[in-house]
Amino acid sequence: DTGVSQDPRHKITKRGQNVTFRCDPISEHNRLYWYRQTLGQGPEFLTYFQNEAQLEKSRLLSDRFSAERPKGSFSTLEIQRTEQGDSAMYLCASSQKTSGNTGELFFGEGSRLTVL
Amino acid sequence: KNEVEQSPQNLTAQEGEFITINCSYSVGISALHWLQQHPGGGIVSLFMLSSGKKKHGRLIATINIQEKHSSLHITASHPRDSAVYICAVLLMDSNYQLIWGAGTKLIIKP
Repeated sequence: DTGVSQDPRHKITKRGQNVTFRCDPISEHNRLYWYRQTLGQGPEFLTYFQNEAQLEKSRLLSDRFSAERPKGSFSTLEIQRTEQGDSAMYLCASSQKTSGNTGELFFGEGSRLTVL
Repeated sequence: KNEVEQSPQNLTAQEGEFITINCSYSVGISALHWLQQHPGGGIVSLFMLSSGKKKHGRLIATINIQEKHSSLHITASHPRDSAVYICAVLLMDSNYQLIWGAGTKLIIKP
């Protein structure tokens, strides 16, 4: 399977615990995006990388959230001291930047977080 | 008023019917995405358009840049097409700012 893969698919944790999600983009894609989607809402932008550089970070991303893409390939999204409001689907997408626009986005299946 | 509006919000049809979902936007864009999301599942990219028309299997997507309108058509609809269809636009001069429509929930009955 050469699509975008995310791990784990589901995570249940207690409030206050740390969680980490991993995203493996399509191998030749230089851009990687994280979105968050809560029930009944559209996805909200969190952050994006071009290669290993984090170029933009949403104000939605509090200090408890951090994302990395150390070698410009896979990315991790860590949430520290989770709160119940963090419960959501965390979506990763990748694209290959072409001149003029971002290229078609390819999404992973998402990682669903439930904070008890 | 939302910058990206989809219609209808909900659509129920019989298997075999021709389906049209509409997306209107009020901002300058560099591209428009049509995406599909199954209940509890991830998002699948169907099309990215910046002009004209694209076809993939039974799916057709069109965009009219002057009228700021796009349509997604499904021919010979099938129950497995049941999903939420989302229109998202990439803001002009932005690398990441996607504005999402609220989605259209499609149910195809056998």
